[in-house]
Amino acid sequence: QVQLVQSGAEVKNPGASVKVSCKASGFTFTGYYLHWVRQAPGQGLEWMGRINPNSGGTDYAQKFQGRVTMTRDTSISTAYMELSRLRSDDTAVYYCTRDQTAFDIWGQGTMVTVSS
Amino acid sequence: SYELTQPPSVSVSPGQTASITCSGDKLGDKYVCWYLQKPGQSPLLVIYQGSKRPSGIPERFSGSNSGNTATLTISGTQAMDEADYFCQAWDSSTVVFGGGTNLTVL
Repeated sequence: QVQLVQSGAEVKNPGASVKVSCKASGFTFTGYYLHWVRQAPGQGLEWMGRINPNSGGTDYAQKFQGRVTMTRDTSISTAYMELSRLRSDDTAVYYCTRDQTAFDIWGQGTMVTVSS
Repeated sequence: SYELTQPPSVSVSPGQTASITCSGDKLGDKYVCWYLQKPGQSPLLVIYQGSKRPSGIPERFSGSNSGNTATLTISGTQAMDEADYFCQAWDSSTVVFGGGTNLTVL
């Protein structure tokens, strides 16, 4: 079964960092770019960036440059997204998604709440 | 930065045709994808490359793209089609999403 399974919900203090994982199964992990997209409560979708699991190369949205780091571990078919210096407006559901010309497979989402 | 504009809401009666637009500069030169999202669920791809349907997506979903506007059309709309719909395109190595359209079937 082709799927992306993400790590569980997180609650963080402002200024902290969060690292979300995305485990791929049912397809060749290194064969597709993986993207990260977030959605604030009641809002639309916002692209954060992508990683090439084969090379480890990344492209980040300008808005998140300097705050986001995307990595991967090919031995366990898992991608990671770390966001630092968290603010209250980073509260959102974070999704990983597979890029096969379009975003055809999505993780179930990880809720990250930033609150003191 | 590139922007995609969608109407915030569209209403349609069951069995009728719903059209959701997505506007952007020279959008017709780009590949457009459409996703639906129901409350509490992850987005689901319904149209890619402007007019292609992934396997498993009903034929009532169709797409077109020309000029500055892409359109998602749902023929014979059903109650189960009630959802938020997002368009998406690439611009200069950046992914852009429209703001989303809430489709109400009533």
